Order: sequence, then structure tokens, then C-alpha cells
Amino acid sequence: AQKITQTQPGMFVQEKEAVTLDCTYDTSDPSYGLFWYKQPSSGEMIFLIYQGSYDQQNATEGRYSLNFQKARKSANLVISASQLGDSAMYFCAMREGYNQGGKLIFGQGTELSVKP
Amino acid sequence: DGGITQSPKYLFRKEGQNVTLSCEQNLNHDAMYWYRQDPGQGLRLIYYSQIVNDFQKGDIAEGYSVSREKKESFPLTVTSAQKNPTAFYLCASSTGTGARSTDTQYFGPGTRLTVL
Repeated sequence: AQKITQTQPGMFVQEKEAVTLDCTYDTSDPSYGLFWYKQPSSGEMIFLIYQGSYDQQNATEGRYSLNFQKARKSANLVISASQLGDSAMYFCAMREGYNQGGKLIFGQGTELSVKP
Repeated sequence: DGGITQSPKYLFRKEGQNVTLSCEQNLNHDAMYWYRQDPGQGLRLIYYSQIVNDFQKGDIAEGYSVSREKKESFPLTVTSAQKNPTAFYLCASSTGTGARSTDTQYFGPGTRLTVL
């Protein structure tokens, strides 16, 4: 079974608008972490935001926020005021508590295109 | 500047040859990781190391080998036993030992390996 599911292979958004990228996860571990990474065409994975399973509030980092709904096992990334430079692949990833020394399990990714 | 460097950026290999991919970090991180990315896919873990002189297999270790003789360095050798080595290889390191949910992995720029 997929542990991380990103159902949107590709998304389009108009510049300056907000966009939500979906991520659902599956784990029985009570302690886990959820991460979002951005991968531009250059290939490097850029860390964006982190949410811990015990965190009471949704994480925010500048224009990025994570809509964490624990009961639904979803961790959607919201990008506000989209910019042309936001065009990239976005990956959701999970680390389960103390499993395998911190292995990250990645989803398939969502390709975001920002239109001028 | 602190960061993770990978070399070379592009690598071409003939079938039957072993090649070694370099990964160096000056972030003073204890844990280091190697991931493989195939086109249109998320990342999969090859090997990881939480401490010098120790490393563990990830999900797809067959045909690969690593060493961790120094904290800063975690080279990956792609051997001739790896049946389909053409892929994008990413090295990462993390705060702490990577075993806690809060440990964040930071990635290098990647090496694109092509087998001719």
C-alpha cells in the first residue's frame, strides 16, 4: 500500500493566486513527521516545511503553510501569492518515528506550473 | 558556506564498469543518505549512515555499496551488479541522527548517471 499519496500529477495556477497541493499518508506509528520539498528543473531538493504529528498548530514558513488534518491523514501544502519561480515539482514525504534511522518515504510528486 | 556537494554533476558509464559518486557535507551532520530518483518518480532510499564507520541498507541497496570513513563524506559506488543504474542520485544529510521525526534532511544538487 502507498504510504504517501499525491493525487495531482500536475497543477496550474495563475500568478499571485493561492494553490493547494494534496498529500495523504498512511501510518500506524503515533510519532511521525511530514515534510514538503520543492524540486526545480535543476534537480536539487529544497526543504520547504515540516509538520510533526504531535504539533497542535499548522506549520507556516513564509508563503508556505501546511494544512494538517490528522484524523483524515492529510497534509496539504498551501502556497499563497504564487510566483513564477514556484513552478517546480513538489514532493510530500514522511518519516515514521524511529524507523530505519530517519528514512523518508516520498510521494510521486505534483508538477506545479505558474502562469503569468 | 555550509552545504552538501555532489560530484560529478553528470556521469556516463559503460556497462560492466563500477563508478563512484561523491557526497561531501560541511554541516556537521551525523546522518547521511543516498536516494535514487527515476523519471516521474519520488525518491527511494539506497543506503544511510547514522554515524562514522556504520551504515545500513535502504529499500534498494542491491548493486550499490557505500563507505563512511569520515563524518563529512559518504561516497556511493554503483557496481556492475546494478541492473538498471541510469537515474538521478541525490545525497542528503540530517540534523541529529535522523531518528527523530523532527530531523530534517537537506539535499545536495544530485548526480545524473547514464549508462551507455
